[in-house]
Formats: sequence, C-alpha cells, structure tokens
Amino acid sequence: ILNVEQSPQSLHVQEGDSTNFTCSFPSSNFYALHWYRWETAKSPEALFVMTLNGDEKKKGRISATLNTKEGYSYLYIKGSQPEDSATYLCAYFKTGANNLFFGTGTRLTVIP
Amino acid sequence: DGGITQSPKYLFRKEGQNVTLSCEQNLNHDAMYWYRQDPGQGLRLIYYSQIVNDFQKGDIAEGYSVSREKKESFPLTVTSAQKNPTAFYLCASNDGGNQPQHFGDGTRLSIL
Repeated sequence: ILNVEQSPQSLHVQEGDSTNFTCSFPSSNFYALHWYRWETAKSPEALFVMTLNGDEKKKGRISATLNTKEGYSYLYIKGSQPEDSATYLCAYFKTGANNLFFGTGTRLTVIP
Repeated sequence: DGGITQSPKYLFRKEGQNVTLSCEQNLNHDAMYWYRQDPGQGLRLIYYSQIVNDFQKGDIAEGYSVSREKKESFPLTVTSAQKNPTAFYLCASNDGGNQPQHFGDGTRLSIL
C-alpha cells in the first residue's frame, strides 16, 4: 500500500479568502496525480488529472500544480466561496498499476 | 443522463449474513472499482475489474467477493467472513488506466 498524504486534514476559511493544501506522494514510479472534490451527500467528482512535472491545471477559481521530482502537488482555491466547501481528495497512479491510491483528504469549510 | 447507480443507500447486516451491494453504470466504461471508506482513512480499494468476466483483488479483498458478468454491472458481496463490515462503500468506473474515475453516491453498511 502506497503512502499518499494530504495536509491539512481540515481547515476553515472565510468567504473571499484564498487557500491551498498539499498532497504528498512517492516520487518513484510516478505516472499521474488525480484531484477530486467530494461534496457532502454527493459523489466525488474529478477536478484534474496531472502527469507532467511542472504541470499546472486550472478550472475556474481552482488550480493545481505538480512536482513529480519531490513528490507533491498543491491545490489552490482563489476567493473561496461557501459552495467550495467539500473534501478534496488526491490520488496517485503509479507506473504499471491499474488503480489509484487515495489520500485521506482535506476537508474545507468556507464560512460565509 | 449517464452515470453510476448504487443501491441500496443504506443497508443493515445481521451477524453471519451475506449481503450484496449493487453497482450499475451506463457510461459504457470497461473498468469498475469498489472502495471502502472508514473514518479518518482514505478510500481503500477492495476489488476492481478491467473487463467483463475478469476482476482482481485490491488492498483489502478479504471477506468480499465480486462478479462481472455484464459490462454495466459490478456487484459486491460482503460475506460473513468480513468481521468489520461497517463502512461506507463507493463504486466507480472509468475507461481504464489513468482516466478520471466516475463515482456512485455510495452505500452505507451497518451491523444490526
């Protein structure tokens, strides 16, 4: 079982604040890094799939960066809104595998 | 609309009983997955199937069984051998490999 770690475990921010959190993963045998958003009472939905070192992806106010050499990815949310409240999961896909290894998630609460 | 349907939403199991969780997808995806979520832990892979009539054990397959007789269906049976079945179960599918996964809404299993 691979070690995929996310920090912080949870955080509360005020509406309008920008925030970021971290996903750490093994740098060896890297193939891809996924980010998912999981809102309460809904199913997880894919945000980004990242494969290249230095890759940066953006979707509205949410963006992510990837450093495969040191084994981390950052997820940024600019100008947080209450609807951004969710658990954000990262998942690591290694070379030769057929499945994802998930972190425990960062639970974000945006206070109006 | 295309998606993944899990049923039931809540399920209760008596001691010594086998129960089956349903997962159906109409996304025409080849690969399907079953995950288990426990408090404070990431999603852990139970079983996955890359193609009809084939499936592989994930990290925590003991006490579970699956079948993949049809492309759209991947039921999970929690057997009496699974001594700690209380958890939230998620089913997912994708086109295989590193493609983003699509998730169902989950089934919460409890012991009576």
